[in-house]
Amino acid sequence: GAVVSQHPSRVICKSGTSVKIECRSLDFQATTMFWYRQFPKQSLMLMATSNEGSKATYEQGVEKDKFLINHASLTLSTLTVTSAHPEDSSFYICSARDVSFQAFFGQGTRLTVV
Amino acid sequence: DAKTTQPPSMDCAEGRAANLPCNHSTISGNEYVYWYRQIHSQGPQYIIHGLKNNETNEMASLIITEDRKSSTLILPHATLRDTAVYYCIVRAGMDSSYKLIFGSGTRLLVRP
Repeated sequence: GAVVSQHPSRVICKSGTSVKIECRSLDFQATTMFWYRQFPKQSLMLMATSNEGSKATYEQGVEKDKFLINHASLTLSTLTVTSAHPEDSSFYICSARDVSFQAFFGQGTRLTVV
Repeated sequence: DAKTTQPPSMDCAEGRAANLPCNHSTISGNEYVYWYRQIHSQGPQYIIHGLKNNETNEMASLIITEDRKSSTLILPHATLRDTAVYYCIVRAGMDSSYKLIFGSGTRLLVRP
């Protein structure tokens, strides 16, 4: 199957700082990418849908100024957690959709805010 | 969006078949059933999907009832590495705009 790479896999940051997470589709072009968040022992929660060259669409209850999404190319989307706080600590997962509308997931990024 | 219902947990013995049920009684005629699994601290892995016919690939088989209100994922010979959370998802939206909404899934434990 197609490969989606996320970087970094783990990050620890201080409260109040911003963190950027990258999501790349390595062997296919992805016009649409998705960002999820997962708390311990819970399911994945869709945060936003990102389309190349346009603004992301956020799910209800997700702060767009807090979680900045950029999808500048067909192979790269970034999620920036701004002014991070301990409650933002979570497992963030991206997904990229190929031309057959199949979705492939990255390996996830564990964010810890101290 | 059609919702799915899965048992929270199941277990099976290594080498035996694992049959994971999913109820999606409100599914629409053009909605696909997808199965993903998530091994601890990793991203979800695609397993299989189908519309109305039964499907089989190298990982699993998907049996969809004739009325499409439920389906079963079958892992024919479960191994310890199949221990994971399995998610049954009904694809929401038209082809170009669909998004995958995850339910709570079934935690499968494969016993030695």
